[in-house]
Amino acid sequence: DAGVIQSPRHEVTEMGQEVTLRCKPISGHNSLFWYRQTMMRGLELLIYFNNNVPIDDSGMPEDRFSAKMPNASFSTLKIQPSEPRDSAVYFCASSGDSNFYEQYFGPGTRLTVT
Amino acid sequence: AQSVTQLGSHVSVSEGALVLLRCNYSSSVPPYLFWYVQYPNKGLQLLLKYTSAATLVKGINGFEAEFKKSETSFHLTKPSAHMSDAAEYFCAVRGSGGSYIPTFGRGTSLIVHP
Repeated sequence: DAGVIQSPRHEVTEMGQEVTLRCKPISGHNSLFWYRQTMMRGLELLIYFNNNVPIDDSGMPEDRFSAKMPNASFSTLKIQPSEPRDSAVYFCASSGDSNFYEQYFGPGTRLTVT
Repeated sequence: AQSVTQLGSHVSVSEGALVLLRCNYSSSVPPYLFWYVQYPNKGLQLLLKYTSAATLVKGINGFEAEFKKSETSFHLTKPSAHMSDAAEYFCAVRGSGGSYIPTFGRGTSLIVHP
């Protein structure tokens, strides 16, 4: 079992640039979550998909953030334009119907915006 | 709304000593409760969960937690700390309003001294 796969693991970019983070959930899982972790705010849920459909995006900070899930095995989180305050670790997690409450987290993408 | 309070952002113990990480929750419905562990530069990993069955829950790596409804607590314990237990620990409670999205605490960093 490969677990949740995220890429890239590290991203350093300049303010104003577009950033795309990628996630491959565990095969068979039909729920996918994007989280952001910072020292100031802890772990925040950004958006949640179920069967590829966005269910709750109330945590997306602003219009600069967008997320898509074109199929059951791939999701992206895009920031355009990026700002220094977006620097954080972004986690993707997935869960299945049989154990919806158990989330399996990827290793995260550490984003630094200079 | 659901919420979780983890008392103490840092807990320091000696190797071999008892580990006690505190978590209090607020929930308008019977809660599901979780403890996750995050090792440095890794994603969160489920340690154990309470889903309304036995109030004493055993997890991986010798950890256990007891659900106490009267105290609205779900404290995590381990009889004897090991150096490898040094990590960040997160308590989480199931979300309300039908969304079932977990709400995470701010985390407690466990430091283990030789």
